[in-house]
Amino acid sequence: AQSVTQLGSHVSVSEGALVLLRCNYSSSVPPYLFWYVQYPNQGLQLLLKYTTGATLVKGINGFEAEFKKSETSFHLTKPSAHMSDAAEYFCAVSDGGGSNYKLTFGKGTLLTVNP
Amino acid sequence: NAGVMQNPRHLVRRRGQEARLRCSPMKGHSHVYWYRQLPEEGLKFMVYLQKENIIDESGMPKERFSAEFPKEGPSILRIQQVVRGDSAAYFCASSGDRNNQPQHFGDGTRLSIL
Repeated sequence: AQSVTQLGSHVSVSEGALVLLRCNYSSSVPPYLFWYVQYPNQGLQLLLKYTTGATLVKGINGFEAEFKKSETSFHLTKPSAHMSDAAEYFCAVSDGGGSNYKLTFGKGTLLTVNP
Repeated sequence: NAGVMQNPRHLVRRRGQEARLRCSPMKGHSHVYWYRQLPEEGLKFMVYLQKENIIDESGMPKERFSAEFPKEGPSILRIQQVVRGDSAAYFCASSGDRNNQPQHFGDGTRLSIL
């Protein structure tokens, strides 16, 4: 079974500051890892994903995440926050094998960006 | 609009009624997934379907819930005899094939039970 823990249900940063959203996972097999963003009353939009290969993954809107196997982490970062980044962010994991379609999500982190 | 289309966006039902949620996958996608999001929770996998086949329904409640993806038309998530606890946002996602991540999500159906 897999699980995802997102530390901090609510993160607040100032515009222009570093964004760091934490995600730790548990998986008995090599994982696929994802970050999704959800704006109010909308569906989830993929920011980035890790399947295999390079452990530093770059996504849309200036976000990136690094897969650290030893720490079972996949933290999301952005060097400089923008007001438009305010949204809820979900980390998700699936197994890299036969059930890789079954995404397990964390509870989400609400990002607030202050002017 | 080439994205995943869900309707209705909002659905209100009284206890005991039936709820039908529809999902049209992205053009060219033949794999559909349903997820449920309870308040202040992440999405929970419910079911994975291909055309005319249920591949994995391990996340579906054993009673009152069913899903289909017919040869023609949208995928349907059906909830019979709804109860207050069914109130949630239901999201549909689609992909080109099960190994072709990522899944693309629709905007969801918000189901409210009176």
